[in-house]
Amino acid sequence: DQQVKQNSPSLSVQEGRISILNCDYTNSMFDYFLWYKKYPAEGPTFLISISSIKDKNEDGRFTVFLNKSAKHLSLHIVPSQPGDSAVYFCAASGMYSGGGADGLTFGKGTHLIIQP
Amino acid sequence: DGGITQSPKYLFRKEGQNVTLSCEQNLNHDAMYWYRQDPGQGLRLIYYSQIVNDFQKGDIAEGYSVSREKKESFPLTVTSAQKNPTAFYLCASSLGRSGANVLTFGAGSRLTVL
Repeated sequence: DQQVKQNSPSLSVQEGRISILNCDYTNSMFDYFLWYKKYPAEGPTFLISISSIKDKNEDGRFTVFLNKSAKHLSLHIVPSQPGDSAVYFCAASGMYSGGGADGLTFGKGTHLIIQP
Repeated sequence: DGGITQSPKYLFRKEGQNVTLSCEQNLNHDAMYWYRQDPGQGLRLIYYSQIVNDFQKGDIAEGYSVSREKKESFPLTVTSAQKNPTAFYLCASSLGRSGANVLTFGAGSRLTVL
């Protein structure tokens, strides 16, 4: 049973426009969420995170929004650049339930393609 | 530079053979992890270790074994009992404390069974 879902396997966005990647989770014990970016044949790199006490976190062109009641989070990239083309993974952990140190639960990823 | 080193980058194995993937970190992290990535499957946790000489099974531990004799090292052995070993294997580490736990990943090892 998938606890973290990324329902869009791929997304195509024009350069300069906004990219919005979505993620849903089912486990109500999750309270820390992360986004990773991955290029082919490389390891994922950490992008941005958010804890459940917040509903928004920004870092440069990247903003993550969390809607706890809907168990939904999204990553906004503005403006989108060619180097943003990669697979983006949503991940979650239970910060206060003995979790976190026992690993992250990942979604299946969304392949973002930035078109010139 | 601090980081995680995985070796080898590419590995080929004949059916019935055990292989060991190396993972070394110099980040002074307490926790280490092994994930497996298959196309369209995301990352799935194989094993993790929060402290030296202790490790726990993840979601897909069958057919794999690990050891944690040193803080810096967490090798993964893919045994002949693993039915579908061809995959991209990722090692990660973190401070391992409860709370915001950000994992740092290595570059990965691709295992192909011939």
